Amino acid sequence: AQKITQTQPGMFVQEKEAVTLDCTYDTSDPSYGLFWYKQPSSGEMIFLIYQGSYDQQNATEGRYSLNFQKARKSANLVISASQLGDSAMYFCAMREGGIGNQFYFGTGTSLTVIP
Amino acid sequence: DTGVSQDPRHKITKRGQNVTFRCDPISEHNRLYWYRQTLGQGPEFLTYFQNEAQLEKSRLLSDRFSAERPKGSFSTLEIQRTEQGDSAMYLCASSWGLAGSRGETQYFGPGTRLLVL
Repeated sequence: AQKITQTQPGMFVQEKEAVTLDCTYDTSDPSYGLFWYKQPSSGEMIFLIYQGSYDQQNATEGRYSLNFQKARKSANLVISASQLGDSAMYFCAMREGGIGNQFYFGTGTSLTVIP
Repeated sequence: DTGVSQDPRHKITKRGQNVTFRCDPISEHNRLYWYRQTLGQGPEFLTYFQNEAQLEKSRLLSDRFSAERPKGSFSTLEIQRTEQGDSAMYLCASSWGLAGSRGETQYFGPGTRLLVL
């Protein structure tokens, strides 16, 4: 089974509108971390936001927020007030807190912001 | 702090040749990761170091791949007898983490794009 599933290969959003990028995960470890990264066309992965499995509140970082629904095993990224510079690939990732140290990445969602 | 750097940024080689990539992590980071990313996919874990010790290696990594981090600082990834299927972006990331921690944030370098002809 895939550890991270991103079902939206491509998304479009109007500038200044909000957009939600979906991510579901699969783990039996009670301790895990969830991450979102942005990858512009230049190729560098940029860290956006982190959510721990024991965190009670949804994480927020500026225009980014993580809609964490633990029972549904989903960790959707919400980008508010989209900007043209937000056009990029977005990857959801998970790290389990046990002995293994791997980060598991999804296949990504390509976001295009339309002026 | 200049972030994670990788060298070279691009490499074109002929099938059967050996190639070596270098990664310089953020100086205070104790963990270093190598990933491979092909077009349309997310990064795929290859291997991981804690200081100079290589603690985990993906089962997907063939014997042609070897990585080192001799002094717990920079790391090298070598691919021997390259094949066309090795063509990909090779990403390095570093982080500061304690054993069993789940919340460490990885910071990525710009990657090395390899093309095997």
